[in-house]
Amino acid sequence: AQSVSQHNHHVILSEAASLELGCNYSYGGTVNLFWYVQYPGQHLQLLLKYFSGDPLVKGIKGFEAEFIKSKFSFNLRKPSVQWSDTAEYFCAVTANQAGTALIFGKGTTLSVSS
Amino acid sequence: DVKVTQSSRYLVKRTGEKVFLECVQDMDHENMFWYRQDPGLGLRLIYFSYDVKMKEKGDIPEGYSVSREKKERFSLILESASTNQTSMYLCASRGDTYEQYFGPGTRLTVT
Repeated sequence: AQSVSQHNHHVILSEAASLELGCNYSYGGTVNLFWYVQYPGQHLQLLLKYFSGDPLVKGIKGFEAEFIKSKFSFNLRKPSVQWSDTAEYFCAVTANQAGTALIFGKGTTLSVSS
Repeated sequence: DVKVTQSSRYLVKRTGEKVFLECVQDMDHENMFWYRQDPGLGLRLIYFSYDVKMKEKGDIPEGYSVSREKKERFSLILESASTNQTSMYLCASRGDTYEQYFGPGTRLTVT
């Protein structure tokens, strides 16, 4: 069975600091990888996704993630966070086959102070 | 834009009641999903459906059932609500790609 592990439960940063949120998954086959974000009081939104090709993917709001197949990792990065990035971030994975569902990590809460 | 709507944003029910949560998507998607979201536990998959009248158990199906009579509608049923089912319930749909689109959620409180 697939599983997703997010290393940090709560991250606290000052504005302009760099961000890296860790995500590892366990699955032996081909996967599709996602990062979702949930701002306070809002519903889940897709931040970025990886299906194939260039392992460095760029998403909205200056976020990027790198897929490292050998490490089963898909870490999220942003060079300089803003107060408005305060949110909960979820890493998710699905096997690249029909009839499967997204499996989520437990989430990382990011708090950015101005 | 894909739109996934859920029948209620907030719901309060009593222990033992039968509860129906409805989800509708407008993009003719084959796949639909129900998750519950709890602090510190992330999103956990309850049930999903890849076609009308088809259903698959997710990671935590106990105490829940689902119904998919029409392609656009996927219902989650709590046969006899219990306090440990107090949670945020999220519905999602997915088409040919693997990207899932989420509804706004239903915050259910069982007292």
